[in-house]
Amino acid sequence: AQRVTQPEKLLSVFKGAPVELKCNYSYSGSPELFWYVQYSRQRLQLLLRHISRESIKGFTADLNKGETSFHLKKPFAQEEDSAMYYCALRSGSARQLTFGSGTQLTVLP
Amino acid sequence: NAGVMQNPRHLVRRRGQEARLRCSPMKGHSHVYWYRQLPEEGLKFMVYLQKENIIDESGMPKERFSAEFPKEGPSILRIQQVVRGDSAAYFCASSPQGAKNTEAFFGQGTRLTVV
Repeated sequence: AQRVTQPEKLLSVFKGAPVELKCNYSYSGSPELFWYVQYSRQRLQLLLRHISRESIKGFTADLNKGETSFHLKKPFAQEEDSAMYYCALRSGSARQLTFGSGTQLTVLP
Repeated sequence: NAGVMQNPRHLVRRRGQEARLRCSPMKGHSHVYWYRQLPEEGLKFMVYLQKENIIDESGMPKERFSAEFPKEGPSILRIQQVVRGDSAAYFCASSPQGAKNTEAFFGQGTRLTVV
């Protein structure tokens, strides 16, 4: 069975500081990994996916199969980055997602 | 395109009553997913439906819960004889086709409170 772990429930950084939100997964096959973000009073939306290897809003995430991690990083955090972040995995032929418990990021002025 | 619409946004039910949660997928989407989020937890998959078919209900509780996605109209998640433990946020997502790498778009959720 697959599992996604986000060890930090809460994370606070100052504006302009680097930020890293941790995500570890367990799955025996080749997973697809995603980061979703939920801003205050808004719906959950896709931030980025590992297969795209893109940077969205300055965020990047690299899939490390050796460490089974997909940490989300941004070199300079902005106040508007404050939100709930969820790491998610999609496995095999399944179309549904397995989510981590989320990390609430607060960027302080 | 208004996005995935869920209603009601908030629903209060007494123990033993029935709860009906509705989800209208995005226009052109034929796949619907329901997730439940208990307090302090992540979203947990419940059921995956296509029009008139349940594809995967491995995350659905065995009793009191059912889901449908009729040919016409929204998808419905029905919870019979609700209990306090059913209090949660229920999210619906939709995707356009069966292709695995398509993005799923989420609704704003229905927050169910059982009193």
